[in-house]
Amino acid sequence: QTVVTQEPSFSVSPGGTVTLTCGLNSDSVSTNYYPSWYQQTPGQAPRTLIYTTDTRSSGVPDRFSGSILGNKAALTITGAQADDESDYYCLLYMGNGIYVFGPGTKVTVL
Amino acid sequence: EVQLAESGGGLVKPGGSLRLSCAASGFPFTYVWMNWVRQAPGKGLEWLGRIRSKTDGGTTDYAAAVEGRFTISRDDSKNTLYLQMNSLKIEDTAVYYCSSLNQFNAFNRWGQGTMVTVSS
Repeated sequence: QTVVTQEPSFSVSPGGTVTLTCGLNSDSVSTNYYPSWYQQTPGQAPRTLIYTTDTRSSGVPDRFSGSILGNKAALTITGAQADDESDYYCLLYMGNGIYVFGPGTKVTVL
Repeated sequence: EVQLAESGGGLVKPGGSLRLSCAASGFPFTYVWMNWVRQAPGKGLEWLGRIRSKTDGGTTDYAAAVEGRFTISRDDSKNTLYLQMNSLKIEDTAVYYCSSLNQFNAFNRWGQGTMVTVSS
């Protein structure tokens, strides 16, 4: 069974940098999985941040960046701000029309 | 303005059925592939399924957890996406979102969601 992994939580200081990762239990994450990232605050719909590994969605600040780090997809927030405090989900395309979200990472800015 | 608006949520008994709708506006819905995603209370996002545009065959793919119970369809004349849910279980309780899919396999537009509660 395919399992997507993410860190449960991260804490970052205002102005600091944090890197979240998105892995697979059975393979290395590559661009072939079309990794994308979504931000969600409580009670709100998800917001698309990054797609195809490193392309920022329209209107997303450039402090958000995506990459492949080793065998995982990564989302880096550089110069974290208070309103970056959210849940972050990665999404991988597994092929054959199947998508899988990671369990999400809760980011606290304090 | 691009908008996706879900409706049809509510309270349903276990074993019951419900049909959700997602009204689209502000973009060429006919040509866009669409998804349904849900989020149980306090839990993460779960992809349920997608439907291709009619020009790309209009076929569907589903997550294993809902295949055979849930059916996605679309009415391009009404710019509306549907999710027919049958044999509902308590664990289907969630907020249900529709989302559009871009050509890079990203879910690029989201509705605000509709709540479905399955309870006796």
